[in-house]
Amino acid sequence: DVKVTQSSRYLVKRTGEKVFLECVQDMDHENMFWYRQDPGLGLRLIYFSYDVKMKEKGDIPEGYSVSREKKERFSLILESASTNQTSMYLCASSLNRGMNTEAFFGQGTRLTVV
Amino acid sequence: AQKVTQAQTEISVVEKEDVTLDCVYETRDTTYYLFWYKQPPSGELVFLIRRNSFDEQNEISGRYSWNFQKSTSSFNFTITASQVVDSAVYFCALSEALTGGGNKLTFGTGTQLKVEL
Repeated sequence: DVKVTQSSRYLVKRTGEKVFLECVQDMDHENMFWYRQDPGLGLRLIYFSYDVKMKEKGDIPEGYSVSREKKERFSLILESASTNQTSMYLCASSLNRGMNTEAFFGQGTRLTVV
Repeated sequence: AQKVTQAQTEISVVEKEDVTLDCVYETRDTTYYLFWYKQPPSGELVFLIRRNSFDEQNEISGRYSWNFQKSTSSFNFTITASQVVDSAVYFCALSEALTGGGNKLTFGTGTQLKVEL
């Protein structure tokens, strides 16, 4: 089975802190994604990556950056956390760039910025 | 732009009732895929089914069935004889082709299903 593991289930950070959310997948998937999930808004795509060292902006990239130095690892970075970034963050991976490939998700990180 | 609408925010049913979750989508693409995912209280989204735009054949898998109608841009999901373990948030999603190659998923806002004893 595909396993997507996010480093933390819950995080509490202070406004202005630099925050790293880590995600690792163990099935050699090409694609990795970061979403945030908010009530009434569903899942919104922040960034994604089709290959090592490459990244593409999603629908809401402002205030975030990403890093993919190894194929299995995709990090989301909040350069200076703000209270409006309090949310559930979901990492996902998929096998390749085909439209029919399903995404596999991690368990989510609930981030609270105080 | 692609859009997925799940008008039902929350549905409550009693165990053993049948329940249908609605999904309406918008796209200009002629080739696309539709997905349903389930998010139980544990938080991890689980893939349930995919359908491509050329396959309108409806399917039944155990207690689950899907009704895809291109004419109305709908991809509805039915659970027969619901169980408490079906309680979760269900997301409909549309696969969108990107100009640079590859694709991304556009999700609806989700429907919270509560199945009570």
